[in-house]
Amino acid sequence: SQTIHQWPATLVQPVGSPLSLECTVEGTSNPNLYWYRQAAGRGLQLLFYSVGIGQISSEVPQNLSASRPQDRQFILSSKKLLLSDSGFYLCAWNGGYSGNTIYFGEGSWLTVV
Amino acid sequence: DQQVKQNSPSLSVQEGRISILNCDYTNSMFDYFLWYKKYPAEGPTFLISISSIKDKNEDGRFTVFLNKSAKHLSLHIVPSQPGDSAVYFCAASVGGGADGLTFGKGTHLIIQP
Repeated sequence: SQTIHQWPATLVQPVGSPLSLECTVEGTSNPNLYWYRQAAGRGLQLLFYSVGIGQISSEVPQNLSASRPQDRQFILSSKKLLLSDSGFYLCAWNGGYSGNTIYFGEGSWLTVV
Repeated sequence: DQQVKQNSPSLSVQEGRISILNCDYTNSMFDYFLWYKKYPAEGPTFLISISSIKDKNEDGRFTVFLNKSAKHLSLHIVPSQPGDSAVYFCAASVGGGADGLTFGKGTHLIIQP
């Protein structure tokens, strides 16, 4: 069966510090991968998606970047965090049998102080 | 421009009664719709979906209705149970969905004993 994991689960970072959130998917090959953010009162916002290694599409211009160094690995990064980057970050995947349905990881709480 | 709208931030329903969550969309290209359930500090979990070629899909206590002419869908939960208390997100996609889902802001469903 397919599983998705992301880490760390919680982190508190000072303004101006770097960020790295990692996500891996198991049990499937060539998945589509996504990073979403849930900020207070704003629902789930798509940040980046990737249909293959090295292929990244950005939905929202911002202080963040994403990379896909391996087929089932997706990384969300920032060189210098802003207070507005605080939120709940979710990695997700779809592909193969799942069709349009996207499956989410456990989420990572980021608080920028 | 919010393409998927959930106009009720919260809904309170008595246990055993029917819960009806509503969702409207503006993009006529959307052809696949999904509902997710989310508990605090967890990733959303997929509940039920419907293709635009159908107007109803049922899975146990959950039924989704789609009215394409009105660009409206709804999720019915019958009977409502305490474990149904969560935030429910409506989502939509175009085509194969590789470029991700567009989510509404969510409705917080509270089941009262």
